[in-house]
Amino acid sequence: GQNIDQPTEMTATEGAIVQINCTYQTSGFNGLFWYQQHAGEAPTFLSYNVLDGLEEKGRFSSFLSRSKGYSYLLLKELQMKDSASYLCAVSPRSGAGSYQLTFGKGTKLSVIP
Amino acid sequence: KAGVTQTPRYLIKTRGQQVTLSCSPISGHRSVSWYQQTPGQGLQFLFEYFSETQRNKGNFPGRFSGRQFSNSRSEMNVSTLELGDSALYLCASSEGYGYTFGSGTRLTVV
Repeated sequence: GQNIDQPTEMTATEGAIVQINCTYQTSGFNGLFWYQQHAGEAPTFLSYNVLDGLEEKGRFSSFLSRSKGYSYLLLKELQMKDSASYLCAVSPRSGAGSYQLTFGKGTKLSVIP
Repeated sequence: KAGVTQTPRYLIKTRGQQVTLSCSPISGHRSVSWYQQTPGQGLQFLFEYFSETQRNKGNFPGRFSGRQFSNSRSEMNVSTLELGDSALYLCASSEGYGYTFGSGTRLTVV
C-alpha cells in the first residue's frame, strides 16, 4: 500500500524560508514529485527527485532520502504569490509501464506580510 | 503547445443522473490519467489510459468508467450520481515522468 504524510497547514512570513516535509511508505518507489496548486487551479509541476540529495531550482529546492522515506520542499525568499497548496506525490513504478502517482493530501501554505 | 483541455469547467447534476467529462491531452501524449480531488481525501487516482487501453484503475466503484479514443482524447463517465461524487475531477497527460494537469471539471451533485 501507499501512505504519504505531510502537514496540513503552515504559515510563514514574506521574505522568509519555509520547509515543507513529506514522509512516505510505499510498496514500490521510483521517484517523488512536488506540485503547487493555487486555489481553484490545476496542480503545476515543481520538482522531481529520483536520487538522494538536493535539487535546486531558483527559489525552490527539493530534497530526497530514499532510505528514510523522506522528502522536503524548501521555499526561499517567500512571496505572497507562494500562498498555495503543495502536494507531495510518489511514483511507485519505474520505466514506461503503467503510470500512476500517489498524492499526499497537500500542505496549505499561507504567506503573511 | 496547447495544454490539457477539460470540458466542461463546471457542472451541476442531480442525484441519480449520469455525467460525462472530457479531456484532450497535450499533443503527442498518449497517457491520460484521471483523478478525483476532494478537500477531505485529496487527489485520488481513478484510472489511466494509454493508447486506448486502460492500464491501471484506482479503488473506485464501477459507476466510474472511462475510455480513450484513437486521438488520445479521453472521457470519463459517472453513472447514478451520488452527493459524495461532488468533487474536482482532474485529467493529466504524460509522455514519461510527471503530469501536466488540466484545469479540471468542478462537479456538484445536488
